[in-house]
Amino acid sequence: DVKVTQSSRYLVKRTGEKVFLECVQDMDHENMFWYRQDPGLGLRLIYFSYDVKMKEKGDIPEGYSVSREKKERFSLILESASTNQTSMYLCASSFPPTGELFFGEGSRLTVL
Amino acid sequence: RKEVEQDPGPFNVPEGATVAFNCTYSNSASQSFFWYRQDCRKEPKLLMSVYSSGNEDGRFTAQLNRASQYISLLIRDSKLSDSATYLCVVRDNYGQNFVFGPGTRLSVLP
Repeated sequence: DVKVTQSSRYLVKRTGEKVFLECVQDMDHENMFWYRQDPGLGLRLIYFSYDVKMKEKGDIPEGYSVSREKKERFSLILESASTNQTSMYLCASSFPPTGELFFGEGSRLTVL
Repeated sequence: RKEVEQDPGPFNVPEGATVAFNCTYSNSASQSFFWYRQDCRKEPKLLMSVYSSGNEDGRFTAQLNRASQYISLLIRDSKLSDSATYLCVVRDNYGQNFVFGPGTRLSVLP
């Protein structure tokens, strides 16, 4: 079974703190994604990566950066957390031939 | 206009009912289409891909109309376990960006 693992299920941070969200997949997928999900807004793409050290901005990249140093790992970084970044963050990887997205269990971030 | 729109819901239906969800997309160059299911406080999971000729998986039937840029999902003989949010997902022509609709919540009642 494909496994996408996110490092933290629940985090509470203070405004201005730096936040790292880690994601690891074990299926050698090339494409990885970071989404945030908010009530009424659905899933919105923050960044995606189609190869090591490659990244593309999604729909809402402001306030976020990413790192992909190894194929299996895709990290989301909030340089200076703000209260409007309180959300559920979902990492995913995809298998291009079928197009199926495999999600991690999500990281619920609260910024106080 | 949002790229992917869905019925706002929620849908509350009795067990055994047939329920249909609708989805429209704005990018005519979209190549691939999917329905995902998301249970409360869980991650989305693939329910089924949607093919041009339409496809069926047990009680679930998906249809695609490229000319109208419209996708549908039909659930027959609803079960309590079908209660979830159903997400319409469209993949762009480069195959790298997946766009999600806002989801339609279904509650199947005993």
